[in-house]
Amino acid sequence: SAVISQKPSRDICQRGTSLTIQCQVDSQVTMMFWYRQQPGQSLTLIATANQGSEATYESGFVIDKFPISRPNLTFSTLTVSNMSPEDSSIYLCSVAPMNTEAFFGQGTRLTVV
Amino acid sequence: GENVEQHPSTLSVQEGDSAVIKCTYSDSASNYFPWYKQELGKRPQLIIDIRSNVGEKKDQRIAVTLNKTAKHFSLHITETQPEDSAVYFCAASPPDKVIFGPGTSLSVIP
Repeated sequence: SAVISQKPSRDICQRGTSLTIQCQVDSQVTMMFWYRQQPGQSLTLIATANQGSEATYESGFVIDKFPISRPNLTFSTLTVSNMSPEDSSIYLCSVAPMNTEAFFGQGTRLTVV
Repeated sequence: GENVEQHPSTLSVQEGDSAVIKCTYSDSASNYFPWYKQELGKRPQLIIDIRSNVGEKKDQRIAVTLNKTAKHFSLHITETQPEDSAVYFCAASPPDKVIFGPGTSLSVIP
């Protein structure tokens, strides 16, 4: 199993600003995933954060908008840049060790005003 | 890339009845198929999973079937209880990611 600490748990931000979300895992994992979940919707994969290489982004998501850092095997950050109200959502980090059960952080509820 | 579809989007059943949720996937490289339950305001929790070399798996009231040829898999919940009410997500996992279906909101009516 894996325990993930994610912060902040929620934030209200002004449009045009940026927010950085942090995730700390209690064990070393090769890949960490970042998802967005809008109210009443599914989890949409934003990108996969790989230690030692650039993140891999899914279609519709770009590095300029969602820069990711992965400085070591237990930590990653996702930045939501130049925010607009459409970025209001819950952001979740996740790990799936050995291609098995996925574990999630508690989520960051972002509201952009 | 992988695309996962899920039906129905909402499902209401009487307590004690069975519930069935069906999913399809597109990427033949997917070899792991988990199901997650998400209660309001909480993170998703794994309820059951199946790998591509297995056709069926059961855990008490929950069972999952997989048809790898047709690329579809299903969740079966028997003897439903009010606490089964939640949103259920299927997922398909190729070796390097986990892709979720759109979800099914299940309501169990007492």
